[in-house]
Amino acid sequence: DIQMTQSPSSLSASVGDRVTITCRASQGISNYLAWYQQKPGKVPKLLIYAASTLQSGVPSRFSGSGSGTDFTLTISSLQPEDVATYYCHKYNSAPITFGQGTRLEIK
Amino acid sequence: EVQLVESGGGLVQPGRSLRLSCAASGFTFDDYAMHWVRQAPGKGLEWVSGISWNSGSIGYADSVKGRFTISRDNAKNSLYLQMNSLRAEDTALYYCAKGRQLVRTDAFDIWGQGTMVTVSS
Repeated sequence: DIQMTQSPSSLSASVGDRVTITCRASQGISNYLAWYQQKPGKVPKLLIYAASTLQSGVPSRFSGSGSGTDFTLTISSLQPEDVATYYCHKYNSAPITFGQGTRLEIK
Repeated sequence: EVQLVESGGGLVQPGRSLRLSCAASGFTFDDYAMHWVRQAPGKGLEWVSGISWNSGSIGYADSVKGRFTISRDNAKNSLYLQMNSLRAEDTALYYCAKGRQLVRTDAFDIWGQGTMVTVSS
């Protein structure tokens, strides 16, 4: 099975900072990669699919990149409402897997 | 409004069964794959099972294979998860999630609020 390794597991940054979260697949998955945001006590929300396509309604400060085994989620200018846990998600084949999550806090 | 509403969760003893349901509205249900994803208390997301638009393609996580069965009734706009031989480690909030396409190989763009399953004696 393909394993997804997400890093860091937690992150503290200041408002306005550029934030980067990475996800690495143990084998190539082309661009079958999504990113989700889960705020405390809330339902996961799709941010990015196909590695770099922004879901409708998601602020443009969020972006995704990568292909094959290495992927990145970037927040260009961190806002207070971005406090959440972020998950990567590979969906090219079963078993579908999620990364372990990155907890993002404001410094 | 696009909506997914799960039901059927509760407290159940180890070894017993439970059936979850997910009622879909606001979109053409049989145009999309559907999935179950769970989240144990304080833990991350774990995909459980997925089913294509016409039930022709189904997949399960290794942790539930042989115990759980996913199904859908497109006439009733509903998704189901039959859970047998439940274990303590199945305790989690179970989400119903809509795929972006007919097939299972795509991201999940709509999520329900979840239904809690607690397996304990």
